[in-house]
Amino acid sequence: DQQVKQNSPSLSVQEGRISILNCDYTNSMFDYFLWYKKYPAEGPTFLISISSIKDKNEDGRFTVFLNKSAKHLSLHIVPSQPGDSAVYFCAASVVDGNKLVFGAGTILRVKS
Amino acid sequence: DTGVSQDPRHKITKRGQNVTFRCDPISEHNRLYWYRQTLGQGPEFLTYFQNEAQLEKSRLLSDRFSAERPKGSFSTLEIQRTEQGDSAMYLCASSLILSYNEQFFGPGTRLTVL
Repeated sequence: DQQVKQNSPSLSVQEGRISILNCDYTNSMFDYFLWYKKYPAEGPTFLISISSIKDKNEDGRFTVFLNKSAKHLSLHIVPSQPGDSAVYFCAASVVDGNKLVFGAGTILRVKS
Repeated sequence: DTGVSQDPRHKITKRGQNVTFRCDPISEHNRLYWYRQTLGQGPEFLTYFQNEAQLEKSRLLSDRFSAERPKGSFSTLEIQRTEQGDSAMYLCASSLILSYNEQFFGPGTRLTVL
């Protein structure tokens, strides 16, 4: 069963606008959430994370929001830039967990 | 470059052959992870090491798969009697014990089984 779901396979956004990527999870034991970015022919690169004790974490143009009651998190990129075009993976782990559980990814295209 | 490195980057083999991949983690990282990624999916956990000890293996890791980290530094992942279903990107990641959630990934080894 897929414990982390990214229901939008792709998203296209105009440069300068906001990109919103969504992620849903089913395992209530998850306590830490991360977003990774992946360019072709490279491994995933850590972008931003959030602990379950918070509902928002911000780092420059990137903000992650967590809604525990809805088991939903989102990544906001403002303003979007062409260099942000990549595959974005949502991932989660449990307390003292040793592995990350990933979603299937969302392809973001930022048009200039 | 002090990131995670993997070798080879690409491997094409015939069904039934054995293959071995190598991963060199970030030098001070004591945890090392292997993941597999197939087309259209996110990475799936295979196994992880803390120093030289292999502490967890996924059900995805069949008997044909074996991983080692003999000196607690680099790791190898061997697949015996490869099958076409083994075709995937094999990703290695490493982390510090206290920052186990923040895993740093290598570029991956793309395996194609003909």
